[in-house]
Amino acid sequence: ETGVTQTPRHLVMGMTNKKSLKCEQHLGHNAMYWYKQSAKKPLELMFVYSLEERVENNSVPSRFSPECPNSSHLFLHLHTLQPEDSALYLCASSRGGNNEKLFFGSGTQLSVL
Amino acid sequence: LAKTTQPISMDSYEGQEVNITCSHNNIATNDYITWYQQFPSQGPRFIIQGYKTKVTNEVASLFIPADRKSSTLSLPRVSLSDTAVYYCLVGAPSGSARQLTFGSGTQLTVLP
Repeated sequence: ETGVTQTPRHLVMGMTNKKSLKCEQHLGHNAMYWYKQSAKKPLELMFVYSLEERVENNSVPSRFSPECPNSSHLFLHLHTLQPEDSALYLCASSRGGNNEKLFFGSGTQLSVL
Repeated sequence: LAKTTQPISMDSYEGQEVNITCSHNNIATNDYITWYQQFPSQGPRFIIQGYKTKVTNEVASLFIPADRKSSTLSLPRVSLSDTAVYYCLVGAPSGSARQLTFGSGTQLTVLP
């Protein structure tokens, strides 16, 4: 266990559905991240939340909407996704300050039909 | 952010020492070097981090030459369970480190 919990582990959704991915960290960290990992591709940073700021990857489509209500919880709201959005979505957290070690959850394997 | 280059894949046999080298020619003064391990359908797991010279923990060693333009992850006496993708990351210690970027990684396959 890494201290970062993601739910659900697997999700199948149609292109017209709305769903949300949830991430919770129990490490007292102050930064949380969403990464996307498509098959045989590197991890792609989607969003970052920290005490100071929210940072976005400008290439992320608006059909992905993050929400970070507090330092322990992070959501990724999904709507009108495309089949090419099928991927492993990973949440991570870090303490911040020096030595940015990322702690990842097990991910949500998303399939868009 | 510094770009990293690693071999795409490596094969080894059980019990051997494995060295994976990462090139990061544009590393900045404040950048740390961090290695992660990822198994299929799981999130990456932190292995080791260093700034210069040599760092060793219970899992691996990290060798960083004086110019810091490359680093080598050393796994002693690998086993089948070490088969995974290994990522080298280079990033600043704070602030802009929010955008730590993963490269393609190295697929290590340990054979019996």
